[in-house]
Amino acid sequence: GQQVMQIPQYQHVQEGEDFTTYCNSSTTLSNIQWYKQRPGGHPVFLIQLVKSGEVKKQKRLTFQFGEAKKNSSLHITATQTTDVGTYFCAATHNDYKLSFGAGTTVTVRA
Amino acid sequence: DAMVIQNPRYQVTQFGKPVTLSCSQTLNHNVMYWYQQKSSQAPKLLFHYYDKDFNNEADTPDNFQSRRPNTSFCFLDIRSPGLGDAAMYLCATSRVGGGPYEQYFGPGTRLTVT
Repeated sequence: GQQVMQIPQYQHVQEGEDFTTYCNSSTTLSNIQWYKQRPGGHPVFLIQLVKSGEVKKQKRLTFQFGEAKKNSSLHITATQTTDVGTYFCAATHNDYKLSFGAGTTVTVRA
Repeated sequence: DAMVIQNPRYQVTQFGKPVTLSCSQTLNHNVMYWYQQKSSQAPKLLFHYYDKDFNNEADTPDNFQSRRPNTSFCFLDIRSPGLGDAAMYLCATSRVGGGPYEQYFGPGTRLTVT
């Protein structure tokens, strides 16, 4: 399956600040999905990006898919304590299987 | 509400004692997956069922087996659990055809091996 590298592994953010997590692949991705896993919880689907250069927003979250479809990013503005958790990008292959990135674990300082 | 249910939420077993984890779904999805997730790691796919077709990942140990008696239920059997099998086991489902589609995860079963 397609491998995706995700950085940073950990992100410590002051409440109110912005941060970005990045997902990169050496091969062209057909699409990419993002999931959030709260501490002690299970992964929950956030969004799917399919088109080259696609940008989607969910309130304070902005998701981008690179023009070459080899990278993606998640940018969160004005971080809140509710943003705590691990964010995973995942590449799909065979139309339904996922290959997860290592995840970015976010902690927030109040 | 349609959902993915896993039982039990916590399971303690002894080293070498077989254990079965269960998953059920009300989403009527074609595909059911079993993942293993260890602390601070990404979910690792063990195998999946596409309808009745079983698909094993190449690096899944033989110690792990699965059964899907019908669309709604799927089981994970660990024949002889070792200490290294202690982890969170996540069941997920997705539909197929015209996708890809998102995966819906259950709450997980945390397995402890003593």
